[in-house]
Amino acid sequence: QQQVKQSPQSLIVQKGGISIINCAYENTAFDYFPWYQQFPGKGPALLIAIRPDVSEKKEGRFTISFNKSAKQFSLHIMDSQPGDSATYFCAASPVSSGSARQLTFGSGTQLTVLP
Amino acid sequence: EAGVAQSPRYKIIEKRQSVAFWCNPISGHATLYWYQQILGQGPKLLIQFQNNGVVDDSQLPKDRFSAERLKGVDSTLKIQPAKLEDSAVYLCASSPRGSWEQYFGPGTRLTVT
Repeated sequence: QQQVKQSPQSLIVQKGGISIINCAYENTAFDYFPWYQQFPGKGPALLIAIRPDVSEKKEGRFTISFNKSAKQFSLHIMDSQPGDSATYFCAASPVSSGSARQLTFGSGTQLTVLP
Repeated sequence: EAGVAQSPRYKIIEKRQSVAFWCNPISGHATLYWYQQILGQGPKLLIQFQNNGVVDDSQLPKDRFSAERLKGVDSTLKIQPAKLEDSAVYLCASSPRGSWEQYFGPGTRLTVT
């Protein structure tokens, strides 16, 4: 099963609040879990990524929490800002024999941060 | 460094017509990907190239879609004939050797009427 399920579909938070987006997967061969941010009219851009050997990774205001046993991972945006308003995609990639990675994306979460 | 370039940015065609999209990856990137992003959905991989060879095209509808990567650099994606359900944004991404990060272009928005 290659599917990655993402929720919620849309999220509205106040400036300064915490935004939380969740993803779940079935394929135990997945071993690389990136989050991408996409603004209207632009391509997705890598935000932060994690591998299953750690349970949490933090970069600035962005944190990934990873639960290997539950096959779930989530993105937390602390102190959310209006400039964070975008669509966020989780993704997953299986172990590959080479350096190239094939990503399976979630369906996306449209985040709106109110001023 | 310059990002992934794609053209055209927008294209409107009638069903049964053909269309081609062009992608110029970041210089030196060995791996190139084409994705289809239908409105409200995440990108779906269509084809992956390593240099000028195809690594995976299992999700490419080969009866109407074709793609090539010339000399391991630029790539074109063609649809012939187009169907209404092909309306989507077509994204090109590239990745340097040894990196797991994919760099996406701005995409081409295709509308089939």
